[in-house]
Amino acid sequence: DGGITQSPKYLFRKEGQNVTLSCEQNLNHDAMYWYRQDPGQGLRLIYYSQIVNDFQKGDIAEGYSVSREKKESFPLTVTSAQKNPTAFYLCASKVQGAGANVLTFGAGSRLTVL
Amino acid sequence: EDKVVQSPLSLVVHEGDTVTLNCSYEVTNFRSLLWYKQEKKAPTFLFMLTSSGIEKKSGRLSSILDKKELFSILNITATQTGDSAVYLCAVSPNTGNQFYFGTGTSLTVIP
Repeated sequence: DGGITQSPKYLFRKEGQNVTLSCEQNLNHDAMYWYRQDPGQGLRLIYYSQIVNDFQKGDIAEGYSVSREKKESFPLTVTSAQKNPTAFYLCASKVQGAGANVLTFGAGSRLTVL
Repeated sequence: EDKVVQSPLSLVVHEGDTVTLNCSYEVTNFRSLLWYKQEKKAPTFLFMLTSSGIEKKSGRLSSILDKKELFSILNITATQTGDSAVYLCAVSPNTGNQFYFGTGTSLTVIP
């Protein structure tokens, strides 16, 4: 089945550690996104990528980094510079093009900083 | 600044009730409005609306867009406990590839 796989589902980290969240899609989608979801704040965009080897900062990129070396993969690193990293992280993708404007989401990764 | 506002923030109803969820938006160069249902994990797509006044319908769910007044509603009739979820509204402008999400409406349906 086509879809988006995020791993791990749950992750605990000590302060000062970097962690990388995985996002893999087999939908052949061009664009991929990372969102952060906190209670009462909706989804906020961290980074997005429209093509391989290119990505753009979203509204809350500070303390995060990404790479897009393959079309299928868009990993997110939460660095120690992120002041409040405990959150639910959602990866999404979509086809490029004027008529295709629906995001498909992964099941999410919940990060807790101890 | 582009903005999406959903109301109410939360709602508790009994099975069989009809509910209306609201989404208002301010976005430059509007392209489309999307509704998603989120049950704990991945948001799942419900509707995409691009034209005013045309109702989208799927079973007990329906949605309509008013581009003049800049809002959309999502109706759920004869609610069931399986409708309990957070309902997200998102708006996409014509420029760029971004989507702007509201805070969501948390719906709880009591048996």
